[in-house]
Amino acid sequence: GDSVVQTEGQVLPSEGDSLIVNCSYETTQYPSLFWYVQYPGEGPQLHLKAMKANDKGRNKGFEAMYRKETTSFHLEKDSVQESDSAVYFCALKIGDYKLSFGAGTTVTVRA
Amino acid sequence: KAGVTQTPRYLIKTRGQQVTLSCSPISGHRSVSWYQQTPGQGLQFLFEYFSETQRNKGNFPGRFSGRQFSNSRSEMNVSTLELGDSALYLCASSLGLLRSQETQYFGPGTRLLVL
Repeated sequence: GDSVVQTEGQVLPSEGDSLIVNCSYETTQYPSLFWYVQYPGEGPQLHLKAMKANDKGRNKGFEAMYRKETTSFHLEKDSVQESDSAVYFCALKIGDYKLSFGAGTTVTVRA
Repeated sequence: KAGVTQTPRYLIKTRGQQVTLSCSPISGHRSVSWYQQTPGQGLQFLFEYFSETQRNKGNFPGRFSGRQFSNSRSEMNVSTLELGDSALYLCASSLGLLRSQETQYFGPGTRLLVL
């Protein structure tokens, strides 16, 4: 079935460091890809999205490129801030079916 | 425009009871999906409704049910609660079924604790 695998557990960059959170997907179809971000006590918020191959999603300095050849949608940022600390979820959607989420990656930015 | 709202925000029940959770989608959104979030299983899809019809269902027992009303508001019900039903229940709405309408926007969730 359709699945998403992302960087496991927690990453601990320092403020000003670059960040990459890996996301790989598996499907035989043509998904839309999403990154959601979740802060404590809130529901996931849409962070960025890409609807087709070679699209790049962008938001608040973050980018993710939809790469069909490597079935990846890695989340990147050049210089993280403390306010970027959150749980990040990669997700895919096939047609009008459900969102399938990765397990989530906790990003904790150290001052 | 107001976001997705869910009520109640917190709920404590005991085993064997039943519970009903409510979701009001973003104005104009016609599709509503429900997810269960737990530390162990992550975000798992429960079901999706569009125009008062259940279109998709996840792998949950029949104790979990839902419905959607003509104004797109949705409710989900869990009967005969078990300890393992303790979770954050999230509702998400989207404009519709077309690819251009598919982006889902989540509410803050209802935190259910079963004792």
